[in-house]
Amino acid sequence: NAGVTQTPKFQVLKTGQSMTLQCAQDMNHNSMYWYRQDPGMGLRLIYYSASEGTTDKGEVPNGYNVSRLNKREFSLRLESAAPSQTSVYFCASSETRSQPQHFGDGTRLSIL
Amino acid sequence: QKEVEQNSGPLSVPEGAIASLNCTYSDRVSQSFFWYRQYSGKSPELIMSIYSNGDKEDGRFTAQLNKASQYVSLLIRDSQPSDSATYLCAVNMQRSNQFYFGTGTSLTVIP
Repeated sequence: NAGVTQTPKFQVLKTGQSMTLQCAQDMNHNSMYWYRQDPGMGLRLIYYSASEGTTDKGEVPNGYNVSRLNKREFSLRLESAAPSQTSVYFCASSETRSQPQHFGDGTRLSIL
Repeated sequence: QKEVEQNSGPLSVPEGAIASLNCTYSDRVSQSFFWYRQYSGKSPELIMSIYSNGDKEDGRFTAQLNKASQYVSLLIRDSQPSDSATYLCAVNMQRSNQFYFGTGTSLTVIP
C-alpha cells in the first residue's frame, strides 16, 4: 500500500524555470493538500482540494497553481520559479477535511 | 497571535523519563486535534488524534485535551532515544475548516 506518492524527490531549478510536482494517493481520499515547510516556519498550506473538481487557496498561494486531475492526483505547478520558493514540499490527503492527513515523502526543491 | 502555538524547544529528557509537549490554539470551537511526529529529513507521521475533552492513551503516548483552556498536550512515557524527533500539533479550525500546524517542538531523548 503506497499511500501518498510524490515525484520527484529532489529537484534543482534555475530562477525563471517552470516545473510541476506530482502527487498521487491510493487511499480513495476525497481531500488533498500541498504544503511547504521551511525552517522555523512549520508547515504552511499552499493550496488544497476538498473534493474532486474543486481547489482553494491556502495560506501562501502566490507563485503556485494546482490541478486536481482526478480523485487520485493533485499536482502543483511553479510557473516561474524564484529563490524564495526553495523549500520542502509535502503533499497530503485525508478522507474528509476534518480527518487526519497522511503525508507523502516530500520533494526537496532548490531554486538557484 | 498564531493559530496554533507550540514551544519550539529544544526539549531534552533522559531515557525513561516522561516528555511533555504542549500546544495552544486560537479557535475556541475547534473540534479535531492531532499530533504528528517528524524525524529529521522525513515527512510528518500521525501518532495521535483526539476529539473530546480528557485523556486518550495509545501505548506510551497520551494526548490530553482541554477545550475550555484551548490547550492540547502530548505525554510520552518511558521516553526512548527513538522518540527523538520534532512533534507537530495540528488543529482543524472549525470556523474555516482548515488545518493549521504549529511550528513543532524538537525533542531529544538522552540515553
